[in-house]
Amino acid sequence: EAEVAQSPRYKITEKSQAVAFWCDPISGHATLYWYRQILGQGPELLVQFQDESVVDDSQLPKDRFSAERLKGVDSTLKIQPAELGDSAMYLCASSRPPLTDTQYFGPGTRLTVL
Amino acid sequence: QQQVKQSPQSLIVQKGGISIINCAYENTAFDYFPWYQQFPGKGPALLIAIRPDVSEKKEGRFTISFNKSAKQFSLHIMDSQPGDSATYFCAASHLIQGAQKLVFGQGTRLTINP
Repeated sequence: EAEVAQSPRYKITEKSQAVAFWCDPISGHATLYWYRQILGQGPELLVQFQDESVVDDSQLPKDRFSAERLKGVDSTLKIQPAELGDSAMYLCASSRPPLTDTQYFGPGTRLTVL
Repeated sequence: QQQVKQSPQSLIVQKGGISIINCAYENTAFDYFPWYQQFPGKGPALLIAIRPDVSEKKEGRFTISFNKSAKQFSLHIMDSQPGDSATYFCAASHLIQGAQKLVFGQGTRLTINP
């Protein structure tokens, strides 16, 4: 069964450093999402792509966060500079509308900012 | 208006019992209501989903009950098993540029005692 791949699985960094996360969606899924999940809370959408275009980035802190999906396949989420409050799980998901509304999530990247 | 409120935060049920988790929403534009299951260290996985044109959907031991007038929906897990111990998230969504934008509840940590 195809899965969403993410790397790294864990990242520890110091505040003010730059970090980057990578996501490879399920093959053929045109829609890609990045979520942030703070411990004990539900995932919160950061950015949504349709192919290589950003559909919704209203919740993305654009002063420090950036996301790209240059060829409409895999995607990178970057934080620069990282702050203590960025410690969270960063989840990537993909879907293939209109065939299905289901979003398939990857295992996530656990970020700890010291 | 974008919030989805979920209760309880945590729930302990004896093996074989019924687990019930409730959610409420405000935005009447929501048209898709999935439930996700998340195990520690893993990404959320779709469990079951419903659309507002039906009041109930059952898949095996899992049932969603939906009350459109009250803007509430709930997950029932029948014959709860220790393997069901996980965190459950309800969500609600509506289409943005052809893809569903999910808003998650805060989650319910379910523990099934053997």
